[in-house]
Amino acid sequence: DAGVIQSPRHEVTEMGQEVTLRCKPISGHNSLFWYRQTMMRGLELLIYFNNNVPIDDSGMPEDRFSAKMPNASFSTLKIQPSEPRDSAVYFCASRQGAQPQHFGDGTRLSIL
Amino acid sequence: DQQVKQNSPSLSVQEGRISILNCDYTNSMFDYFLWYKKYPAEGPTFLISISSIKDKNEDGRFTVFLNKSAKHLSLHIVPSQPGDSAVYFCAATVTGAGSYQLTFGKGTKLSVIP
Repeated sequence: DAGVIQSPRHEVTEMGQEVTLRCKPISGHNSLFWYRQTMMRGLELLIYFNNNVPIDDSGMPEDRFSAKMPNASFSTLKIQPSEPRDSAVYFCASRQGAQPQHFGDGTRLSIL
Repeated sequence: DQQVKQNSPSLSVQEGRISILNCDYTNSMFDYFLWYKKYPAEGPTFLISISSIKDKNEDGRFTVFLNKSAKHLSLHIVPSQPGDSAVYFCAATVTGAGSYQLTFGKGTKLSVIP
């Protein structure tokens, strides 16, 4: 079975540029999560979708961050404009019902 | 304010011996706990979980113990193998209708020495 697929795996860009991270959840999973991992704060939930609807975006740090889930098999996390402090590893996870979350391998983002 | 704490950033254990990873929590509403394992350049992988109605859950070489009165849980790996070398995250949640939020500790890096 294919797991959660994230792209790109690595992204290096200059500050001020728009960054788009992509996620394909596991087929049949009805919940999707975006996390950010930093040394200082560990793994933090940014936003949670259930049945493609954003339920909780209280973890999104600023208006520069936005996330969409146009259908059950695709989600994006966008940062515009990007800043050096956005550098982190971003994980997408999905799950079915109350089962444990399955994580993708992450996108390592570096903003110069 | 960290609600889930893993106070040991790292742990080294000899192959074949027991590895014990610890986790403390402060939120008494947490009633379901999970351990995730993470290799470099990969995402966290679910390992084992425990509900607050139990005090022990076992799956092969992995056992999780929960002490609710102390707000403490631990993961035991016996016997430890070199392939167990990874970062282990403790996570906690409040179950119930609409629950989804996992609160993670910062992880403990386990090194199993051959």
